[in-house]
Amino acid sequence: AQSVSQHNHHVILSEAASLELGCNYSYGGTVNLFWYVQYPGQHLQLLLKYFSGDPLVKGIKGFEAEFIKSKFSFNLRKPSVQWSDTAEYFCAVNARGGGFKTIFGAGTRLFVKA
Amino acid sequence: ETGVTQSPTHLIKTRGQQVTLRCSSQSGHNTVSWYQQALGQGPQFIFQYYREEENGRGNFPPRFSGLQFPNYSSELNVNALELDDSALYLCASRKPGQEYNEQFFGPGTRLTVL
Repeated sequence: AQSVSQHNHHVILSEAASLELGCNYSYGGTVNLFWYVQYPGQHLQLLLKYFSGDPLVKGIKGFEAEFIKSKFSFNLRKPSVQWSDTAEYFCAVNARGGGFKTIFGAGTRLFVKA
Repeated sequence: ETGVTQSPTHLIKTRGQQVTLRCSSQSGHNTVSWYQQALGQGPQFIFQYYREEENGRGNFPPRFSGLQFPNYSSELNVNALELDDSALYLCASRKPGQEYNEQFFGPGTRLTVL
């Protein structure tokens, strides 16, 4: 069965610090990978996704993620966080040809101190 | 463009009762997925509807059922409610086509079972 593991449940950073949120998945086949974000009081929204091509993908608001197939990982990064990045971040995966069933990780709550 | 809407916002039920949650998908989206998000967890896939038929299901018992209507709106029905059904229920819609198409989430319905 597919699963997604996010390494940190809570992260606290100061503004301008660099961010890396870990995500590992378990599935032997080809996958599509996603990072979703939920800002306080808002809906879940897509930050970025990978489905093929360049394993380094760029998303909105300066976020990027790197797919490392050999490590089953899809870590999210941002060189310099802002207070407005305070949110909960979810890594998600669905299997290519798997009928759209999307598995989410438990989420990482990021708090950025101004 | 109207986003995904859900009703009601909050609901309180008692054990053994039945509940119906509603979702209106984003314009042009004919695929709707339902998720259960327990406190402190990521969304868990319940099922997906495409062209009024269920075409994917997660590990949820048959007392979780759904419908999709010709206008692509959807309902989630839960029978014989249990305390563990207390959660945020999210609806997400997407355009037809690829599994990596972005899902657009609604604000959710908070269900409390007493």
